[in-house]
Amino acid sequence: EADIYQTPRYLVIGTGKKITLECSQTMGHDKMYWYQQDPGMELHLIHYSYGVNSTEKGDLSSESTVSRIRTEHFPLTLESARPSHTSQYLCASSGGRYDEQFFGPGTRLTVL
Amino acid sequence: AQSVTQLDSHVSVSEGTPVLLRCNYSSSYSPSLFWYVQHPNKGLQLLLKYTSAATLVKGINGFEAEFKKSETSFHLTKPSAHMSDAAEYFCVVSETGGFKTIFGAGTRLFVKA
Repeated sequence: EADIYQTPRYLVIGTGKKITLECSQTMGHDKMYWYQQDPGMELHLIHYSYGVNSTEKGDLSSESTVSRIRTEHFPLTLESARPSHTSQYLCASSGGRYDEQFFGPGTRLTVL
Repeated sequence: AQSVTQLDSHVSVSEGTPVLLRCNYSSSYSPSLFWYVQHPNKGLQLLLKYTSAATLVKGINGFEAEFKKSETSFHLTKPSAHMSDAAEYFCVVSETGGFKTIFGAGTRLFVKA
């Protein structure tokens, strides 16, 4: 079944640690996205990709980085986590004529 | 330039009564419009989409939305609220065939027993 996956679902980590949030999709989509969402707040686009070897920064400045080596995989990395990075991170992919986005379940990150 | 405004940050209804979540948009192009729902600690789920085929769009779980070009609105409705409808709802506008997608700030729906 076509789907989009994110791991881990929850992560609690100390300041200064390097972390990678995983996102994979079996939708066959070229476009993928990362959003940051604080509790009860709107979504902010932090990274997107048109396809393999394509990555762009979104509307909200972020200290994270992304890579797109395979079509189905779009990991997000924080080299040195800080408490200000505490948030929910949502991954999405889109394709087809109308480009509707399909979302993963999210990763809730807490940096102590 | 595109924009989307959800007119209510919170809406509270009683179970069994109608739901109305309001969304206005602006777009320089023929837009695609979407409504998503987000339950606590979950990702966003697509409820319905408007893509210029029909102005009244039916979605999942009994929701529907009407595209009104003259009013630049895309309000979400449901005839009878259920407790399980309590969630955050996002209105989204996208350039048809393009890349730019704008999310509204969200409307939190509360359903009282």
